[in-house]
Amino acid sequence: EAAVTQSPRNKVAVTGGKVTLSCNQTNNHNNMYWYRQDTGHGLRLIHYSYGAGSTEKGDIPDGYKASRPSQENFSLILELATPSQTSVYFCASGDAVGGADTQYFGPGTRLLVL
Amino acid sequence: GDSVTQTEGQVALSEEDFLTIHCNYSASGYPTLFWYVQYPGEGPQLLFRASRDKEKGSSRGFEATYDKGTTSFHLRKASVQESDSAVYYCALSDPSGSWQLIFGSGTQLTVMP
Repeated sequence: EAAVTQSPRNKVAVTGGKVTLSCNQTNNHNNMYWYRQDTGHGLRLIHYSYGAGSTEKGDIPDGYKASRPSQENFSLILELATPSQTSVYFCASGDAVGGADTQYFGPGTRLLVL
Repeated sequence: GDSVTQTEGQVALSEEDFLTIHCNYSASGYPTLFWYVQYPGEGPQLLFRASRDKEKGSSRGFEATYDKGTTSFHLRKASVQESDSAVYYCALSDPSGSWQLIFGSGTQLTVMP
């Protein structure tokens, strides 16, 4: 069974503060992803990575940075958090097998920016 | 670009009812199709996937058949239970495109006892 964990599970931050969301996967997948999920918008891709040291911009990267220091870890960084970044954030790893990328999701991090 | 359309935003059924959630896709290549389920407070979970025309995916009593002719991958279950209440997402991964997952807008299924 795929194993993707996220920390923290819940976070309250202040406007202008720095927030780091962490993701760890034990699947040995090359691909990792960060999404946010808001009511009425479904899942939206923020950043992704094809392997250690690589990060790519997704559909809504503004205000976010990403870091992939190792195969297992992928972080999402909000340098200057804003209330509009209040959301639920999901990390996923992808197996890139058979010409498709089957993704396995973590449990999510609920972020509230005051 | 590639896209996935789920017709029903919300579906309300009683236990033992038959379920159909419609999914149609548009892709430049030959995509792999997925159904994911998301329970409250959890991340999306893979239900199953299908990669070829006429291939049937199935899991936990749910099933869908890849139909390249009608570009569809409709989710069906013969008899739903209250525990099936969740949001269901259809998605595709197209190796001819970005091959990242493209999700539909999701369908909230509520099953009443």
